[in-house]
Amino acid sequence: EDKVVQSPLSLVVHEGDTVTLNCSYEVTNFRSLLWYKQEKKAPTFLFMLTSSGIEKKSGRLSSILDKKELSSILNITATQTGDSAIYLCATGDKIIFGKGTRLHILP
Amino acid sequence: KAGVTQTPRYLIKTRGQQVTLSCSPISGHRSVSWYQQTPGQGLQFLFEYFSETQRNKGNFPGRFSGRQFSNSRSEMNVSTLELGDSALYLCASSYLKGNEQFFGPGTRLTVL
Repeated sequence: EDKVVQSPLSLVVHEGDTVTLNCSYEVTNFRSLLWYKQEKKAPTFLFMLTSSGIEKKSGRLSSILDKKELSSILNITATQTGDSAIYLCATGDKIIFGKGTRLHILP
Repeated sequence: KAGVTQTPRYLIKTRGQQVTLSCSPISGHRSVSWYQQTPGQGLQFLFEYFSETQRNKGNFPGRFSGRQFSNSRSEMNVSTLELGDSALYLCASSYLKGNEQFFGPGTRLTVL
């Protein structure tokens, strides 16, 4: 059965810490993996990773795709309270979302 | 560029009724997906339409159906509503299948 699993389910850290969120997938005909951030509203897109683009970076956020391990990580450095959100990963093409990691940043 | 719009934003129905939700994608986007989000189950995929054809379907009963029109606008219908159908229904559009999706604000459905 195709699935996407995220860990940890929740995480509480202090402002300034670095966090690593994990996403593993088992999907037939994998083509892409996407990361989203969801605050109080609908998810907003962060990154898309494919075979031709296995590492992406934007400011304090970065993500790597490990096709051998069928997984991806999302790193956030120097966290801020505004990073508090649910982070979702999903496979593209065959759309399967993980349950998300709820990240809470303490001031 | 206008974002994804969904109507209505809030809806209250009673068990047994049916409901139709509407989604207008970003201009130029041909792929529209629907999701159900609940606190317990997270974001669950309902179905995806591309150029008026259903391309993917999640594990939901046949009471959930959808369609896409030639202008890429999409509707989702739920018949014989159950209490468990209470959820936030999100629509997302993308330019190509498998690309990043842009989500609408959602329709919050409450079934009494």
